[in-house]
Amino acid sequence: EVQLVGSGGGLVKPGGSLRLSCEASGFSFSHYTMNWVRQAPGKGLEWVSSISGDDSYVYYVGSVKGRFTVSRDNAKNLLYLQMSRLRAEDTAFYFCARGDRGGSSDHWGQGVLVTVSS
Amino acid sequence: SYVLTQPPSVSVAPGQTARITCGGESIEDKSVHWYQQKPGQAPVLVVYDDSDRPSGIPDRFSGSNSENTATLTISRVEAGDEADFYCQVWDSSSDVFGGGTKLTVL
Repeated sequence: EVQLVGSGGGLVKPGGSLRLSCEASGFSFSHYTMNWVRQAPGKGLEWVSSISGDDSYVYYVGSVKGRFTVSRDNAKNLLYLQMSRLRAEDTAFYFCARGDRGGSSDHWGQGVLVTVSS
Repeated sequence: SYVLTQPPSVSVAPGQTARITCGGESIEDKSVHWYQQKPGQAPVLVVYDDSDRPSGIPDRFSGSNSENTATLTISRVEAGDEADFYCQVWDSSSDVFGGGTKLTVL
């Protein structure tokens, strides 16, 4: 069974940093692109970042470029999102998701809440 | 950047058919994916590559894609189908989501 378990969320002050983790199990982690998608409370889904299975390709939405870094450890089946220079508008639930070949996200983690507030 | 447009809400009576649209320029040239999200839960993929269903998704859910509009069709709607639905495509090295449609079962 595919499982994705996110962790690392919490309350952080504007300008601060936080690292999210996503532990994967039940599939060959290194063979899949992984995605981060966020959702501000009461709002819609927003794609944040994607990283290819061998981390040769990484992509970011414009609003986080230069502030967020996606990475993965295929030996440990872990996906990361290092977030720095956080802003109030980064407040959201952050979901990790497994990317399918066709570009869909076919399995999702439970979401972790990041709150940026003074 | 590419934009996907969904109606904010769709209402349907139980047993009827719900159609949720997703508009985008020449969207027929892209693979469209659809997600269902119930309150407090993670999204669930219900249709991928325009019209395919993941295992475990009832055949009441179907998709189509033509010209500038993709459509998610839910037949024989049940109370448990009430949720937010999002369309998504991959475009120019980024994922794009529609704004979401709230399906209300009357």
